[in-house]
Amino acid sequence: GAGVSQSPSNKVTEKGKDVELRCDPISGHTALYWYRQSLGQGLEFLIYFQGNSAPDKSGLPSDRFSAERTGGSVSTLTIQRTQQEDSAVYLCASSLVGDGADTQYFGPGTRLTVL
Amino acid sequence: GESVGLHLPTLSVQEGDNSIINCAYSNSASDYFIWYKQESGKGPQFIIDIRSNMDKRQGQRVTVLLNKTVKHLSLQIAATQPGDSAVYFCAETPGGYNKLIFGAGTRLAVHP
Repeated sequence: GAGVSQSPSNKVTEKGKDVELRCDPISGHTALYWYRQSLGQGLEFLIYFQGNSAPDKSGLPSDRFSAERTGGSVSTLTIQRTQQEDSAVYLCASSLVGDGADTQYFGPGTRLTVL
Repeated sequence: GESVGLHLPTLSVQEGDNSIINCAYSNSASDYFIWYKQESGKGPQFIIDIRSNMDKRQGQRVTVLLNKTVKHLSLQIAATQPGDSAVYFCAETPGGYNKLIFGAGTRLAVHP
């Protein structure tokens, strides 16, 4: 079946602009995660959605970052007033139940470059 | 996604040899561990997982060993092939949480 898809694959923006990154999880997966991978650093957790529960936003680095998940499926990560340090690859993952012990499957990522 | 950067530890092996990639995890409360493979320009790909009630699990050409006493995880790849060249990440899930905490990654370079 289809895996996690993300769009766009690459995004170049100017400092101060807002960007939206999209994630389509695997069909039937109730849990969805966003991670960030910066050059020279590992993958860091940003936010987690599970069913209708309140999202875990504990990894969001600032209030310029927000995410929503509509209809329990597609998710959008929004970065407002982008800064150069926001440049990174943003990865989305989904898992079947999100109980902390099920496999997270990753999409190909969106490479964000802030000029 | 692109594998992390320029300063990863690198393991160089000859094609056909066995590879062992090590990882020290941080949280003694972690109860689920995963190894991911990341090729250039792609997202992390699941390889194998293990729960804290096990100390060894085998897959196809891969074996994961877990030593909870010293908080150490290893990935063994048998008969390493050029297609195994990638960055390998270990990840842990602290008990009661759903987010993955990733290690820094190891680059595996397979030479013919």
